[in-house]
Amino acid sequence: ILNVEQSPQSLHVQEGDSTNFTCSFPSSNFYALHWYRWETAKSPEALFVMTLNGDEKKKGRISATLNTKEGYSYLYIKGSQPEDSATYLCASLFSGGYNKLIFGAGTRLAVHP
Amino acid sequence: GAGVSQTPSNKVTEKGKYVELRCDPISGHTALYWYRQSLGQGPEFLIYFQGTGAADDSGLPNDRFFAVRPEGSVSTLKIQRTERGDSAVYLCASSPGTRGLYTQYFGPGTRLTVL
Repeated sequence: ILNVEQSPQSLHVQEGDSTNFTCSFPSSNFYALHWYRWETAKSPEALFVMTLNGDEKKKGRISATLNTKEGYSYLYIKGSQPEDSATYLCASLFSGGYNKLIFGAGTRLAVHP
Repeated sequence: GAGVSQTPSNKVTEKGKYVELRCDPISGHTALYWYRQSLGQGPEFLIYFQGTGAADDSGLPNDRFFAVRPEGSVSTLKIQRTERGDSAVYLCASSPGTRGLYTQYFGPGTRLTVL
């Protein structure tokens, strides 16, 4: 069974704080990792697709890193704003299931003014 | 351009009834996916279409669930004899091609409640 785990489950930070959370996945047969941001009552929004060990991606104040050898990815948010409040989901793809995203349960972030 | 749309946004039904959930993918996207998210969990894969055919339906929980995409665009997820455990948010996504390097673009979901 392929398990993708995210931690922490939820996080409360103050506006202006920087924060990060973790996605862990089995390193064997890894193919790609996707990060999504999901605000309540909206569609999940794609943030990054990452494949290579050591990959780093950045989008505004949000960045992500990937370590495929040890099976983890970090998502960083610099200078959190209230509009960053959302659930952040990671999902892995593995060889043999190239189109089947295996999601973690998400990290729910609340940024307080 | 228009994103993925799903209708209805909310559906309340009684145990034992039949429901249909519709997904309109982004125009030109050949791949279409269905996932469902139960409370406290991440989305769980159900089925994936490449064109009109179901390329992988390994996530459908049992034979009460069926999905079609007859013209390679709009898809309908059909659930027969609904059970309370079917209550979840059903998400649809589309992508311009296959294989994992393509972003899957999600719709807002249909929240199904089975009473």
